[in-house]
Amino acid sequence: GENVEQHPSTLSVQEGDSAVIKCTYSDSASNYFPWYKQELGKGPQLIIDIRSNVGEKKDQRIAVTLNKTAKHFSLHITETQPEDSAVYFCAASNRNRDDKIIFGKGTRLHILP
Amino acid sequence: DTGVSQDPRHKITKRGQNVTFRCDPISEHNRLYWYRQTLGQGPEFLTYFQNEAQLEKSRLLSDRFSAERPKGSFSTLEIQRTEQGDSAMYLCASSEGQGGEKLFFGSGTQLSVL
Repeated sequence: GENVEQHPSTLSVQEGDSAVIKCTYSDSASNYFPWYKQELGKGPQLIIDIRSNVGEKKDQRIAVTLNKTAKHFSLHITETQPEDSAVYFCAASNRNRDDKIIFGKGTRLHILP
Repeated sequence: DTGVSQDPRHKITKRGQNVTFRCDPISEHNRLYWYRQTLGQGPEFLTYFQNEAQLEKSRLLSDRFSAERPKGSFSTLEIQRTEQGDSAMYLCASSEGQGGEKLFFGSGTQLSVL
C-alpha cells in the first residue's frame, strides 16, 4: 500500500519568511495529493490539493509542487504570519482506484515573532 | 450547516469498558470516514461508508471495533473491551459525491483508557 514520508517533523521560521515542507510517496499510481492544516484542538482542514496532471498550484500565499518522476511533492508558504503556526499534513491517494487518503506524520510549523 | 460534529469531545474510561462515539457528517455528504490519530502522528484510516454501506475496513480495526451508519446519515464507532493502546483521537470526516476527496474533518473524540 501507499506510504507517505514527510519532513521536517518540526520547522521554525521567522515571521515574513518562507516555509517549505517536503513529502515523498511510494505508490507511483497515486494521483491526488492534498495538504491539511491542523490547529490545536481541531480536526485537520484541507488547505490545498493537487492532481498528478498538474505540476504546480497556487492559492494566495500557498503553493504546492509535484514531481511525479521523483515521487515527491512540496508545500510552500510565503510571507508567513503567526496564524500559520500549526501542524501540516501531506497525503496521497489513487483516485482511479478510489483509495483512501494516506497521511504523512506531520510537520509542526512555528512562526517566530 | 455547521460542519462535521462529533460527540463526545472527550471520553475517559477504564480498561475493559465499552465506549461509543457518534459522528454527524455534513448533511449532503455521502461518504463518511473514521480515522485514528495518536500524538505526533498523522491520521490513520480505520473505515469508511458510502451512504449506509461500509466499503472498507483497515487491518487496524480489530474485532473489538465496530462502526455503523444505519440510515446513511450519522455514524457510530464502538470499541468493546477497551485497552490502553486504544487511547487516541478518533476523527470523523465526510466528503460529498463519489470522489472521496476533500475530506471535512470533525474536531474528534479524545479517548483516554486508564
